[in-house]
Amino acid sequence: GAGVSQSPSNKVTEKGKDVELRCDPISGHTALYWYRQSLGQGLEFLIYFQGNSAPDKSGLPSDRFSAERTGGSVSTLTIQRTQQEDSAVYLCASGGTGGYNEQFFGPGTRLTVL
Amino acid sequence: GDSVTQMEGPVTLSEEAFLTINCTYTATGYPSLFWYVQYPGEGLQLLLKATKADDKGSNKGFEATYRKETTSFHLEKGSVQVSDSAVYFCALSDLTYGQNFVFGPGTRLSVLP
Repeated sequence: GAGVSQSPSNKVTEKGKDVELRCDPISGHTALYWYRQSLGQGLEFLIYFQGNSAPDKSGLPSDRFSAERTGGSVSTLTIQRTQQEDSAVYLCASGGTGGYNEQFFGPGTRLTVL
Repeated sequence: GDSVTQMEGPVTLSEEAFLTINCTYTATGYPSLFWYVQYPGEGLQLLLKATKADDKGSNKGFEATYRKETTSFHLEKGSVQVSDSAVYFCALSDLTYGQNFVFGPGTRLSVLP
């Protein structure tokens, strides 16, 4: 497909378990972002990848959160020892390096921690 | 650091009313400005954008003008429809220090028939 895809669309897990969320960006996009959106809230920036540069991890809320981007394409966001407050929709976006810098968002993964 | 401020709402209007959602920003450099929209149950999608001062972005009857002197990018629509009910996010991209993308908190709009 032409858009950003994310999987799974929904994830229910038990407190203390680890989860992995996947993002497939638009082909050729060098920038990739992860955000978190809690119910009825705005976007919370988590991490930003740009090409082969070191990622900007300044938004990660704790060391339980980590992300990788393999081969400059697919990205995985990992949350270890999940807590109930991690429940949210996790959004991935990709973008180019052109002058407009607009982001294209995936549909998100809804994470529920019981 | 860079920031975006917008009226948080919720905003409730009757169909065909005039809409304004205010957005102001602070940025180190010369950012590009965006409005994104999130319809109920859907992901964010770009509504319109402007890349330099005095540019006007427009789409689906919505408009916003990049005002450098007031550091604003207010969203307007002359006649809203029920289908415009959504959350609207103002955002900026500032390349001064890499691709820094900052979103406002979002404004929920409800349009009543």
